[in-house]
Amino acid sequence: QKEVEQDPGPLSVPEGAIVSLNCTYSNSAFQYFMWYRQYSRKGPELLMYTYSSGNKEDGRFTAQVDKSSKYISLFIRDSQPSDSATYLCAMSASISFQKLVFGTGTRLLVSP
Amino acid sequence: DGGITQSPKYLFRKEGQNVTLSCEQNLNHDAMYWYRQDPGQGLRLIYYSQIVNDFQKGDIAEGYSVSREKKESFPLTVTSAQKNPTAFYLCASSAAADTQYFGPGTRLTVL
Repeated sequence: QKEVEQDPGPLSVPEGAIVSLNCTYSNSAFQYFMWYRQYSRKGPELLMYTYSSGNKEDGRFTAQVDKSSKYISLFIRDSQPSDSATYLCAMSASISFQKLVFGTGTRLLVSP
Repeated sequence: DGGITQSPKYLFRKEGQNVTLSCEQNLNHDAMYWYRQDPGQGLRLIYYSQIVNDFQKGDIAEGYSVSREKKESFPLTVTSAQKNPTAFYLCASSAAADTQYFGPGTRLTVL
């Protein structure tokens, strides 16, 4: 079993839809959680960075962490065609010189 | 203009050749990392360095080597011992109490 599980998709939605992307994990030591967006043939770009449980909002993006269920989510409101990309979740047990564990990524397609 | 640069963007290797991928950062980050990305497998850590002149193996270090002679630079050599080197290689860096930021990547293809 992988330490971090993420549905590869693709997830296809119409423009304006609310998108929910999810990861589950098995290591209860994880405390730091990230979401990266990666366009085709580009490096990952940090979207959201959260610590422990709770919600964090940044514009159209909301990150949610439920440590009791070992489940994290990224919500995208009013999705746009420019949101079409692969979304990677990542997590770490330590803040110092993090050894990140990544999900395999979910490919999102937003159609106009 | 701060950031992480990787060169070249595309690299082709013949069988038996060693090739070196460049990674430079001007963010004054202490730590630097190399990952390999293959379809359906996510990012896997090859090597990381927390300080100049020191580095540690990641999960898939066999067939790779690195050096960290300067804080700004962390080159990766893919040796002929790496049997399946075709992949997308990503360099990242981080400050001591922050997450990682990535460069644009180098796509390596074996001919």
